[in-house]
Amino acid sequence: GNSVTQMEGPVTLSEEAFLTINCTYTATGYPSLFWYVQYPGEGLQLLLKATKADDKGSNKGFEATYRKETTSFHLEKGSVQVSDSAVYFCALSDRGGGTSYGKLTFGQGTILTVHP
Amino acid sequence: DTAVSQTPKYLVTQMGNDKSIKCEQNLGHDTMYWYKQDSKKFLKIMFSYNNKELIINETVPNRFSPKSPDKAHLNLHINSLELGDSAVYFCASSRRTSGDKNIQYFGAGTRLSVL
Repeated sequence: GNSVTQMEGPVTLSEEAFLTINCTYTATGYPSLFWYVQYPGEGLQLLLKATKADDKGSNKGFEATYRKETTSFHLEKGSVQVSDSAVYFCALSDRGGGTSYGKLTFGQGTILTVHP
Repeated sequence: DTAVSQTPKYLVTQMGNDKSIKCEQNLGHDTMYWYKQDSKKFLKIMFSYNNKELIINETVPNRFSPKSPDKAHLNLHINSLELGDSAVYFCASSRRTSGDKNIQYFGAGTRLSVL
């Protein structure tokens, strides 16, 4: 079955530091890949996505590139802010038919704390 | 207007009770989901409905019963609550037939505490 593995957290950084959160996946076929973010006390919000190999998703200074050869979708940001403190989830969606269609498989989440 | 709204936000109850969580979306989506987030933040899908039809039913105790009266609503009823049911439950929705299919929009969550 499908699975997503994220780097262990929590991650603690100082403001303006470089961020990388690693994500690798196992899937049959060609899944779509996502990063979702959960701010304290809120639901998940889509941060960025990529639907095919070599696609780069980007939003709010965050980027991730769909690497089929390494089955990875690492999240990066060049300069983090205190407001980026949240839980980040890597996820994949099976694009096959049948009952699995639309099902999101999540990684375990990485807690990011950014200090001033 | 909130796109995906869940009620209640907090639910504290005793073991053995029956409770319901309601979810409504005003995005015109045709697919809705229930997820469970445990204390370690791990998220797992429970159910999914497309046009009121159950399409995903993960290994969930049959004490959990989803009900979709129409495309905009997906409720979750839980019978005989147990301590292990304590978690945050998220509702989500998506439009299965659009170019942005599989982008799911989440509610703010319902924190269930079983005492």
